[in-house]
Amino acid sequence: QSVLTQPPSVSAAPGQKVTISCSGSSSNIGNNYVSWYQQLPGTAPKLLIYENNKRPSGIPDRFSGSKSGTSATLGITGLQTGDEADYYCGTWDSSLSAGRVFGGGTKLTVL
Amino acid sequence: EVQLVESGGGLVKPGGSLRLSCAASGFTFSSYSMNWVRQAPGKGLEWVSSISSSSSYIYYADSVKGRFTISRDNAKNSLYLQMNSLRAEDTAVYYCARDPGPGHWGQGTLVTVSS
Repeated sequence: QSVLTQPPSVSAAPGQKVTISCSGSSSNIGNNYVSWYQQLPGTAPKLLIYENNKRPSGIPDRFSGSKSGTSATLGITGLQTGDEADYYCGTWDSSLSAGRVFGGGTKLTVL
Repeated sequence: EVQLVESGGGLVKPGGSLRLSCAASGFTFSSYSMNWVRQAPGKGLEWVSSISSSSSYIYYADSVKGRFTISRDNAKNSLYLQMNSLRAEDTAVYYCARDPGPGHWGQGTLVTVSS
C-alpha cells in the first residue's frame, strides 16, 4: 500500500488530454514539493515535473503539473502513442519516519 | 552530461550480503544529495535511502532500517549501499538517483535474493 494514491490506469485517444491524480496528506504533498516521473517499459524513470509544476529542460510543454492542498495532478495534452508508460508521483514525507515516498504508479494507455 | 552507473548486483542467498556502488560523473558529486530507489519485478518504485551531500543527513525506509547502510565517498564520486541480512522481498532493480527531483537516474542493477 503506497503512501501516495494514484489511479492504477488511465486511457485516452491520441491527440486527447489526460490527467493523473496523486493524493497524499499534510505530512507529504501538503507541505513538500511534488515530482512526476515517466517510466517506459524496461527503462529507468525519467523526471517530467519537479517542484510541483516545473519542467526540466527537454520536457515538452504538453506535460504540466499542479498541486492543491494534499493532492497533485499531472496533465498530458496532445497524447501520442509514445506517451504509453507508467507514471509516478513522488514527494518527501516529513512524518516521524521521514523519507521519500512514491505513488503506486498509473499505467497510461493511448488507445 | 550527468551519468550514474550502478554495479554490484547479482544473485545472493537469503541472509547474505551485497554491496552496491554507483559511479557518478558529469557533475560536482559533492554538491548533491543522493538516493537509492528500488523496483521489484512488475511493481512500483520504492524509496530505499537518501544521503545528503556531506553525509550529515541519512534516511532509510522502515523496510531496510537496521539492515542497509548508505554511504558516499565524495573524493571518488561514488555512492554505496551495503545490504545485509537480505530477504526474498529485497529482490529488485536498484537505482541510484541524484537530487533534486530526483532528476537523474542510473540504469539500475538487479539484485536477486533466492536460495
